[in-house]
Amino acid sequence: NAGVTQTPKFQVLKTGQSMTLQCAQDMNHNSMYWYRQDPGMGLRLIYYSASEGTTDKGEVPNGYNVSRLNKREFSLRLESAAPSQTSVYFCASSEDRGTEAFFGQGTRLTVV
Amino acid sequence: RKEVEQDPGPFNVPEGATVAFNCTYSNSASQSFFWYRQDCRKEPKLLMSVYSSGNEDGRFTAQLNRASQYISLLIRDSKLSDSATYLCVVIDYNQGGKLIFGQGTELSVKP
Repeated sequence: NAGVTQTPKFQVLKTGQSMTLQCAQDMNHNSMYWYRQDPGMGLRLIYYSASEGTTDKGEVPNGYNVSRLNKREFSLRLESAAPSQTSVYFCASSEDRGTEAFFGQGTRLTVV
Repeated sequence: RKEVEQDPGPFNVPEGATVAFNCTYSNSASQSFFWYRQDCRKEPKLLMSVYSSGNEDGRFTAQLNRASQYISLLIRDSKLSDSATYLCVVIDYNQGGKLIFGQGTELSVKP
């Protein structure tokens, strides 16, 4: 049982480049999330999807877009990467909104 | 004021010590509460849910005080393997059931 799988695990981008972070879960969960984690800041919610076909902004959505492709997959796109987006990105899923979440292993992104 | 606040620590304790963490939340409508554990450079993992009546799992005890809007985590007989960052998580169904994390409390258990 893979749980939540994120790709890639590491990425270095140049300022202005674009990329998509992929996330897939095999637990048949309805809700999915994208967080970023920075030193001293804790995990901050970027976007979440309460169910297939819906997405909502979190605390720090600027500079990001998301797609809930189907029930399993929730991708995060950086259209024009900036150094301020250097962070560790975690995808998570939960059975429903309000239940405990399970996390992927994270993507370490550096924008130079 | 942050929605969820924790003392960042670090808490440095000897093996066998009892250590307690507190977490305060600002939204009285918050309805579910959890403690997560995060090891260095790894993903957060659920440690335990926090119930209104309090709950215990081995050496770990979690309590909720709705009137004062705080939750706590007590670790008894600390082990070296308990060294990690402990994250307080609050869910408000009125905000779409989003999980809101505190910034975490770092624990270091020394021999």
